[in-house]
Amino acid sequence: GNSVTQMEGPVTLSEEAFLTINCTYTATGYPSLFWYVQYPGEGLQLLLKATKADDKGSNKGFEATYRKETTSFHLEKGSVQVSDSAVYFCALSDREDMGRRALTFGSGTRLQVQP
Amino acid sequence: DTGVSQDPRHKITKRGQNVTFRCDPISEHNRLYWYRQTLGQGPEFLTYFQNEAQLEKSRLLSDRFSAERPKGSFSTLEIQRTEQGDSAMYLCASSSLLGDGYTFGSGTRLTVV
Repeated sequence: GNSVTQMEGPVTLSEEAFLTINCTYTATGYPSLFWYVQYPGEGLQLLLKATKADDKGSNKGFEATYRKETTSFHLEKGSVQVSDSAVYFCALSDREDMGRRALTFGSGTRLQVQP
Repeated sequence: DTGVSQDPRHKITKRGQNVTFRCDPISEHNRLYWYRQTLGQGPEFLTYFQNEAQLEKSRLLSDRFSAERPKGSFSTLEIQRTEQGDSAMYLCASSSLLGDGYTFGSGTRLTVV
């Protein structure tokens, strides 16, 4: 079956520090990969996605590259801000029918950015 | 477009009571999903509708759980004879037929005491 493994948090950084949140996956096919962000008291928001190997998803300064050879989709940002403090979830979906299939989520990584 | 709306935001109920949650998806979205999220975990898939048809159910959806989407618009999730283990955040999401990423609601937090 499909699974997603994320680094455990919390990750605590100072403002303007470099961020990496590791994500690796196991999938039977060729999944699409996603990063979602959840701010306190809110639902999940799609941050970025990649649908095939070597694709790079990017949004709001965050980037992640779909690495099929290492089955990874690590999230990076060059300079974090206090407003980036949230929980980040890596997820995958079966590519054969992306709309139908359920998303499989990792357990989430809490990011705390200190001023 | 006001996004995906869920009601109520919070629900506290006594063990053994029935509860019902409502989800209003984005109006042009055909697909609607329910997920459950417990503290410190990622969301887990419960069930999925395309229009009014319930097409997929997780093994997590025991016979105490039932979901409907009678007119292919809003959906309800009912839990009968609630147990303390049902305490969680229940998330609704919707997507178009393109399946190009979901839009999640803010969730309903259920606490069973």
